Amino acid sequence: EPEVTQTPSHQVTQMGQEVILRCVPISNHLYFYWYRQILGQKVEFLVSFYNNEISEKSEIFDDQFSVERPDGSNFTLKIRSTKLEDSAMYFCASSVGWETQYFGPGTRLLVL
Amino acid sequence: SQELEQSPQSLIVQEGKNLTINCTSSKTLYGLYWYKQKYGEGLIFLMMLQKGGEEKSHEKITAKLDEKKQQSSLHITASQPSHAGIYLCGADAAGRRALTFGSGTRLQVQP
Repeated sequence: EPEVTQTPSHQVTQMGQEVILRCVPISNHLYFYWYRQILGQKVEFLVSFYNNEISEKSEIFDDQFSVERPDGSNFTLKIRSTKLEDSAMYFCASSVGWETQYFGPGTRLLVL
Repeated sequence: SQELEQSPQSLIVQEGKNLTINCTSSKTLYGLYWYKQKYGEGLIFLMMLQKGGEEKSHEKITAKLDEKKQQSSLHITASQPSHAGIYLCGADAAGRRALTFGSGTRLQVQP
């Protein structure tokens, strides 16, 4: 069964460093998403991406964040200058259309 | 903005018992999704409900969306240890793809 994959599973970085989180969505899906979950808190929407552009973003997704689909398979989230409060589990998701979003296993990011 | 409240926050049941988890929305639901999350892992899709009064079942799990589309319930029959995890309800608003999630219900099933 096709699934969303994410790399790395864990990432430790120093405050102020740039990180790139990678995702491979399900192959025939057209919509891509990033969510995050701070430890003990709700899953929060960050951004959705369709047709090579951002279609929707939350107030969390500020200028420090960017997304890209550099080739036909990968979807990336970049955090330009990490802060302590960026420590969280980041989930990628994808959907065929305006339907069910399928989530990846997540990348646990720890900012020191 | 839409808020989803789940109850109970946690639940411990004996294996074989039935249980129900509720999800109440502050606004009319457009699409309601149930996911299961094991601690520290990804979200596994369970079911989606869109129509008022809709009910769906998969194996021993049944989800319902009430007629007014502001509350959903997830019912597990004859619970097993494999049902243990965190159950999350999520909802999208008309015209938007962003999912809003509830805080989750942590389920433990004791053998």
